[in-house]
Amino acid sequence: SYELTQPPSVSVSPGQTARITCSGDALPKQYAYWYQQKPGQAPVLVIYKDSERPSGIPERFSGSSSGTTVTLTISGVQAEDEADYYCQSADSSGTYEVFGGGTKLTVL
Amino acid sequence: EVQLVESGGGLVQPGRSLRLSCTASGFTFGDYAMSWVRQAPGKGLEWVGFIRSKAYGGTTEYAASVKGRFTISRDDSKSIAYLQMNSLKTEDTAVYYCSGYDTGKSADYWGQGTLVTVSS
Repeated sequence: SYELTQPPSVSVSPGQTARITCSGDALPKQYAYWYQQKPGQAPVLVIYKDSERPSGIPERFSGSSSGTTVTLTISGVQAEDEADYYCQSADSSGTYEVFGGGTKLTVL
Repeated sequence: EVQLVESGGGLVQPGRSLRLSCTASGFTFGDYAMSWVRQAPGKGLEWVGFIRSKAYGGTTEYAASVKGRFTISRDDSKSIAYLQMNSLKTEDTAVYYCSGYDTGKSADYWGQGTLVTVSS
């Protein structure tokens, strides 16, 4: 079955830049989506179609794609950005969706 | 205001069935695909499946872990999506979220989830 691979954890100090990667063989063909989830809350979409930002999401959140890897970048990290982040995409057929294992972002 | 409210969760014995509902308001339900995502206690998100809008055939897709046991349906007249879960297993224990999204996911809405516990 298709898998997306994320690092389990990323740590940064306030004001620094956090980068979270997600790797998968079908990513050159399929869009990626990024979700932020805080404890006890439902996920919130922060990036769609690799690099688009939904309305209401701060400009410090951005996404990029290169080959089989997509990256979520958070510039000028704030304490409120501490959360779990999940990438989501589909297999090469576009039929089955999958989430990455999630990355816990810690703001030191 | 957009709202998705899941209901129907609870404690159920292995092998039994349960039906979850997702009641939507604040957006044109019939234009949106509806999906179900679950999260086992302390674990990550797992895609369960989705149903396309009628404009895209209203067809469904499922994760391998639930295919043949779970069925997703929708009633556009009531703005409700359903997840029928049969032959439940202990590993199906999770918070179940419904989400609705337009083509391309520029609009993506989630409920707060409902807990399903499968235990004897």
